[in-house]
Parts: sequence; C-alpha cells; structure tokens
Amino acid sequence: GQNIDQPTEMTATEGAIVQINCTYQTSGFNGLFWYQQHAGEAPTFLSYNVLDGLEEKGRFSSFLSRSKGYSYLLLKELQMKDSASYLCAVKDSNYQLIWGAGTKLIIKP
Amino acid sequence: ETGVTQTPRHLVMGMTNKKSLKCEQHLGHNAMYWYKQSAKKPLELMFVYNFKEQTENNSVPSRFSPECPNSSHLFLHLHTLQPEDSALYLCASSQDEASGVAEQFFGPGTRLTVL
Repeated sequence: GQNIDQPTEMTATEGAIVQINCTYQTSGFNGLFWYQQHAGEAPTFLSYNVLDGLEEKGRFSSFLSRSKGYSYLLLKELQMKDSASYLCAVKDSNYQLIWGAGTKLIIKP
Repeated sequence: ETGVTQTPRHLVMGMTNKKSLKCEQHLGHNAMYWYKQSAKKPLELMFVYNFKEQTENNSVPSRFSPECPNSSHLFLHLHTLQPEDSALYLCASSQDEASGVAEQFFGPGTRLTVL
C-alpha cells in the first residue's frame, strides 16, 4: 500500500531551527509537496520538490531524496506564527496526492 | 471573492437530514476536489472532478453525492449521515489533475457535526 510517515508532534524554541522529516512509499512519484495548516484554517502550499536536492524559499527549505523516499522541511529563525501543522504529500503515478497525517509544530518562547 | 470559498463554514445536522456543501473557485482552475479531514488522520480524498468530469471516487459511501455543474462550482450533497462522518470537509482546486507541479488551493472548509 501507499504510505507517508511523519512525526506526530515536534516542539522547538523561537529563533531556532527545526527539521520535519517525511518518508514515503508510493506507487510512482510525480513530486512531493509541503503544506502548512494553522488550526481551524485551510492548508496552504509551501513547497514542491520533484528533483533531488534542496529548494530554498526564504526561511523555509525543502529537501528531497527520491532514492531514499525521503524529504524534510527545514524552518529557520522560528517565529511564534510558525506554530501549525505541516503536511507532507506525494503525487503518485496517477497524479493523486497521498497525504501524511501531518506534524504539529509547537513553538515556545 | 478570491481563491476558493466554501459555505457553510459550520453545519450541524441530524442523521435524517439532507444538506449540501458548496464550493466555488475563482482561480480559473479545471480540477476540483473534495477531502475529508479527521483529527490526527491524513487527508482523505473523496472525489475529483477534472474538466467537470468525475475522475476519482475513492470508495465513498453513497450517502455522499458530489455534483459539479461547471468548472467553478462543486457541491457535496449529504443525506442520512452517521456520527462518524463528523469532520472538516475541504474543497480544493488545481490547474488540472494530471500536472505534477500544480499545487492545490484549499478553501477554509466546512466543519460538519452529525448528531
């Protein structure tokens, strides 16, 4: 079956760096997405990786290794507003998004 | 209005009621999706419409019935629901279904409670 694994919850300190990992097993691969979802709100797109390597976008970076079925989202200079759930999703061979359960990130002052 | 809108934002219904959820996208996209989001579970894809044609129906019970009259509007008709159907129902749209890079844009969701 298809599976996306990510930690359920993580805690980090304001101003620090945190890495959220995602491992996947899917039938085919057409890209990996990271979304941010604040409590009670819609998920919003953060990043897309289809080739191996690091994609940087401001304070957020996303890394992909297709051979290892692995990605991470790196958040730098953490701010209180970064407290949210971070969802990893992979597009399979049918272009259907397979979602992880999300990682709840708690930022402490 | 911009982006993806959903109404109502909150809905409480009994098991014998019939109600409908509405989604509208103002992005000129060709694909629209219904998802169910339950606490601590992955997003569950329910239905996909691409160019107004239903392309996915992931074994969703018949008490959920989708309707896509045009590429901008999507409905989810609900009847004789069960308490376990209580969840956040999210609508999303994307440029089209079979494009790797096209991200999905989500509406704010309808929080459904079935009594």
